[in-house]
This record gives sequence, C-alpha cells and structure tokens, in this order.
Amino acid sequence: EADIYQTPRYLVIGTGKKITLECSQTMGHDKMYWYQQDPGMELHLIHYSYGVNSTEKGDLSSESTVSRIRTEHFPLTLESARPSHTSQYLCASSTSLRAFFGQGTRLTVV
Amino acid sequence: AQKITQTQPGMFVQEKEAVTLDCTYDTSDPSYGLFWYKQPSSGEMIFLIYQGSYDQQNATEGRYSLNFQKARKSANLVISASQLGDSAMYFCAMRAAGRRALTFGSGTRLQVQP
Repeated sequence: EADIYQTPRYLVIGTGKKITLECSQTMGHDKMYWYQQDPGMELHLIHYSYGVNSTEKGDLSSESTVSRIRTEHFPLTLESARPSHTSQYLCASSTSLRAFFGQGTRLTVV
Repeated sequence: AQKITQTQPGMFVQEKEAVTLDCTYDTSDPSYGLFWYKQPSSGEMIFLIYQGSYDQQNATEGRYSLNFQKARKSANLVISASQLGDSAMYFCAMRAAGRRALTFGSGTRLQVQP
C-alpha cells in the first residue's frame, strides 16, 4: 500500500566503513523522518525533514547525517560505522494525519 | 512534552477472542492525533487506526477499534476475533498539532494462541 522504499533491507558491515541507507517515496510528501529502533523496543526519532534543503536533528542524538536534495529522496549516512550503530533504521513520510513507513534497514556493524 | 505509555509488555489471547491493548498519553496540546501501528517480525510498521482529539466517535477499521477516553487520556486498541496473523508488536503513537513527528510508546507484544 505505502509507496516508500528503503534499501538495503539488511546490511552487515565492518567497523569504520562509511554507509548510506537509502529512502525514497513517491507520494510527494514534504515531511520525512528517520527513526532508530532496537529489537522489540520503541522507535526514536533521529532526523526530520520539512522539505527540500530542510533537515533537523531528532529527539535521540545520532552520529548519522541526512540530506534532502529532492522531495522524494532522504538518505541517511554514517561516516564511520561502529558496533553501537547496530539497530534497525526506519524511514517514514507523512501527511498531516498519517505516517507511512518503509520496510526498514537492519544494520549490523561487526 | 508528549509521552505515550504502554504498560503491557506482552499479552496472550486465544484465537477468535477479543483483546484490548492499553495506551495512555500525556500532552498539553489541545489538538492531537492518536495512532496504532502493527509491527510483525519482518520489521515494517503497518498503520492500523487513527483517532483525532476532536473526533466525537471512536474510530473503527474492520476488526480494529479504538476506545478513546479523552478525560482519562487513554486510547486503547481493541482487536475483535483475533487471528494467528495478529501476533506482532503493537505500538501506540501520538502527534500533537504543530509537532514535528510521532512519539511512540514502548509497544506490546501480542501472541495469539490456537
């Protein structure tokens, strides 16, 4: 139903590597989000975008960065991955009433 | 500040029975929306139901209904006629008007037994 896509679904990577998690939506939503979620735990907002060239940090401090050059694309980058970054990362976009989520990226840093 | 509390870490229910998942919230904003999402083991978040703070009637979507008690600040999810496929994590969430994003509770893991 939701037209929001995340790649990759699973990623295992070594410490110190640079990674980019991709998120794209075809619904034309201005608002997009990145949430971080440890297994079985609540979601924490780490990044938020109001629209093109507008990004803000979320409630949970994160070493990741984001960019919003196009409405449909909201990638998240980790310059140097560490084991503490191991988690699931969920991208979402929203209307005023409802948020649509991608399938998530499960990141493991070894 | 916004806060969502889900006090049931885990729940069991027999197939075909109804189950209520509890959610209480706290906000000083007069206008807000309440949401329930289902997260199966595959990890995606599936939207179930929405209730606006000014809605007069409780929201319903198929087998899902939201028992909204504004004075008590509760927004419990009721699943009727549980199915094995309902086994998942369930998250209550809220967004107040003008706020950036959804605030989530800690979730309830529901297991439906045959």
